[in-house]
Amino acid sequence: EAGVTQFPSHSVIEKGQTVTLRCDPISGHDNLYWYRRVMGKEIKFLLHFVKESKQDESGMPNNRFLAERTGGTYSTLKVQPAELEDSGVYFCASSQDGEGSHGYTFGSGTRLTVV
Amino acid sequence: EDQVTQSPEALRLQEGESSSLNCSYTVSGLRGLFWYRQDPGKGPEFLFTLYSAGEEKEKERLKATLTKKESFLHITAPKPEDSATYLCAVRASEGTYKYIFGTGTRLKVLA
Repeated sequence: EAGVTQFPSHSVIEKGQTVTLRCDPISGHDNLYWYRRVMGKEIKFLLHFVKESKQDESGMPNNRFLAERTGGTYSTLKVQPAELEDSGVYFCASSQDGEGSHGYTFGSGTRLTVV
Repeated sequence: EDQVTQSPEALRLQEGESSSLNCSYTVSGLRGLFWYRQDPGKGPEFLFTLYSAGEEKEKERLKATLTKKESFLHITAPKPEDSATYLCAVRASEGTYKYIFGTGTRLKVLA
């Protein structure tokens, strides 16, 4: 079974530019999550989709971040305009059930550097 | 405020030297405690889920236990391939499936 795929793996952009991160979950997984790790800090929740609906977006830092999941398949996370503090590693995860009793499958992440 | 604290931050062991990693949590209502392993440049990889005090799970050289305030990840006779960062996460409030992660324990096992 293919895993969770994220791209790009790395992105370096200038402050004020726009970046779009993409996540392809495991086929058939209705639940998709976005997390990020800022340097030296713990991994923090951003939001949770069930199919194409946002179930919980309480972790989104501000309105510069926009997540979509059209058709309940892949998801994108757009940062516009990017700020220096947005630098970090963005992880996507998916699961068949929200309870996650079998855990979530994470992608390898996108390392975003804003300069 | 819900919080997860892991200790130690880093641990170096000789091959075969058993030890334990700690995850202390403060949550309003635990709805699952999760252990993950993360290798450099990779995403977290699921190991265990624990739901109630007294529960234990085992996988190869790893054993996870849970009390009302903390969880331990016991590593028995570790091998160099067990070197990784071990992450603990909890799910707290009802109605949300978000994890609250600790900062992890970086484990290095020397041959």
